[in-house]
Amino acid sequence: GQQVMQIPQYQHVQEGEDFTTYCNSSTTLSNIQWYKQRPGGHPVFLIQLVKSGEVKKQKRLTFQFGEAKKNSSLHITATQTTDVGTYFCAGVWMDSSYKLIFGSGTRLLVRP
Amino acid sequence: KAGVTQTPRYLIKTRGQQVTLSCSPISGHRSVSWYQQTPGQGLQFLFEYFSETQRNKGNFPGRFSGRQFSNSRSEMNVSTLELGDSALYLCASSLDGDPSYNEQFFGPGTRLTVL
Repeated sequence: GQQVMQIPQYQHVQEGEDFTTYCNSSTTLSNIQWYKQRPGGHPVFLIQLVKSGEVKKQKRLTFQFGEAKKNSSLHITATQTTDVGTYFCAGVWMDSSYKLIFGSGTRLLVRP
Repeated sequence: KAGVTQTPRYLIKTRGQQVTLSCSPISGHRSVSWYQQTPGQGLQFLFEYFSETQRNKGNFPGRFSGRQFSNSRSEMNVSTLELGDSALYLCASSLDGDPSYNEQFFGPGTRLTVL
């Protein structure tokens, strides 16, 4: 079935260290979205990637979409305590409109 | 502009009962999607509605149903509740078109506990 594998499940870093989470699909994605959910909160949209090989940056966050559109990554440079939360990727397949399939999420903890 | 609102925020039910959850999307948004979030299964897609029509649904049993009204407000219903239905139920709204290509705005969720 359509699913997105996301790793790692948890990441505990020292403030100032970098962080990366990865998403992989066995089949080609149409596009991928990234969301952040703070503890006790709801998911908040970060970005959408559509094109093969696309790279987008938001301040310290860098998002990449693989050339084959089967994988994506989110990299945070120099983490801060405000980055704490769970990061989800959500994939869309060509034959499955109107439906986002979320990865299992990576929970980021930052030690001050 | 007000965000997505969900009522009630918390609910406790017993096995076998049924429950109805409500979602009011952001004004002007016509697409509403529902998700179930549990620690073990993560965020799972339930269904999506647009202009009172269900356009897609996830792999949930028929006990889970939904509907959308002409003002875009949506409800979901779970009948014959089971312990495993305990979860955070999130709804998300987005502008016209395909929500999988648009930013989804999530509500705060309804925390359902089944005893």
